[in-house]
Amino acid sequence: KNQVEQSPQSLIILEGKNCTLQCNYTVSPFSNLRWYKQDTGRGPVSLTIMTFSENTKSNGRYTATLDADTKQSSLHITASQLSDSASYICVVTSNSGYALNFGKGTSLLVTP
Amino acid sequence: NAGVTQTPKFHILKIGQSMTLQCTQDMNHNYMYWYRQDPGMGLKLIYYSVGAGITDKGEVPNGYNVSRSTTEDFPLRLELAAPSQTSVYFCASSSSGVGGANVLTFGAGSRLTVL
Repeated sequence: KNQVEQSPQSLIILEGKNCTLQCNYTVSPFSNLRWYKQDTGRGPVSLTIMTFSENTKSNGRYTATLDADTKQSSLHITASQLSDSASYICVVTSNSGYALNFGKGTSLLVTP
Repeated sequence: NAGVTQTPKFHILKIGQSMTLQCTQDMNHNYMYWYRQDPGMGLKLIYYSVGAGITDKGEVPNGYNVSRSTTEDFPLRLELAAPSQTSVYFCASSSSGVGGANVLTFGAGSRLTVL
């Protein structure tokens, strides 16, 4: 069964600090891995998309890494801001079918 | 550009009633999707469409119906609403299939409560 597991479930950090969110998956065959940011009461917004051949992708202060051999990904947030408070969702796509496999998300709270 | 627009944002429905969640996009995307998001769970695909006149079931289609008469619109119909359909519903669109590295654009969501 295709699964996407994220850790930690929730995280609280001080403004200005860095943090790293983890994503492990069992989806096969693999097509791409996405990270989304979902603010409370809003729809998910795409941060990064990585295919099999890519092992890192940046979007401003967000840097995603992918190890397709160990089926792990991480999202690193640098110099966090209050506006980074949100749920971060890891999504893995198989290259068969149309289903995206969503993780449950990591809830990040950045405090002053 | 409005992107993906969903209406209503909030709605309370009685058990057994029916209603339609509206979704429209102005990006000329061929692919459109409906997801539901339950508390503490990942999004689940209800239905999707690869173009006008073409729809197909996702992971959790029971209790729902869709139609795609135009490229822009993809309404989701709930027939005989049940408490299990209490959820947040997201419509999304993309220019082509998610197998490629195509960005999926989501609407703001419709929060539905069935009592």
